[in-house]
Amino acid sequence: EDKVVQSPLSLVVHEGDTVTLNCSYEVTNFRSLLWYKQEKKAPTFLFMLTSSGIEKKSGRLSSILDKKELFSILNITATQTGDSAVYLCAVTKSTASKLTFGTGTRLQVTL
Amino acid sequence: DTEVTQTPKHLVMGMTNKKSLKCEQHMGHRAMYWYKQKAKKPPELMFVYSYEKLSINESVPSRFSPECPNSSLLNLHLHALQPEDSALYLCASSQVGGLGGYTFGSGTRLTVV
Repeated sequence: EDKVVQSPLSLVVHEGDTVTLNCSYEVTNFRSLLWYKQEKKAPTFLFMLTSSGIEKKSGRLSSILDKKELFSILNITATQTGDSAVYLCAVTKSTASKLTFGTGTRLQVTL
Repeated sequence: DTEVTQTPKHLVMGMTNKKSLKCEQHMGHRAMYWYKQKAKKPPELMFVYSYEKLSINESVPSRFSPECPNSSLLNLHLHALQPEDSALYLCASSQVGGLGGYTFGSGTRLTVV
């Protein structure tokens, strides 16, 4: 059975800190790994990773995939209160058009 | 247009009611999805439509009935729901196979009383 596990489950940091969120997976016929940010409603897309070792960056956020060790990390530098959200990792397979989500990491950034 | 639009945003229904959730996209995506999300849990897949045909049903009870009338529209018909069906229902779309990513709607928050 496919598995996507995120750690930590929750995290409280102070504004300005750097955080690293983890996502490990066991999936047959892996195609891609995606990161989403979810505040109140719709998950909003952050990154899609298909190749190992290539860092994707968007502002203070970055992510990288390791297909040998089957994990990805999401880094957020200089955190702000607006980064408070649940961060979801999801994987896709080449044999099925669907996302399978991990448990999520709840990040709270305090002043 | 890069949005997935869901209506209504909120819905309260009794256990004997029949209602429908609607989802629309104009991105040319030919795969559409229904996900159910309970509080503090990740989204769980319910149904996948590819090229307007049902391709995945994740053993969802028959009180949930999906419909894809055309490539832009996806409905979820609800009948005789239970209070435990209360959740956020998310629609998403993508190219078939998920290449290019998935776009989510803002969801319908459903309460069954």
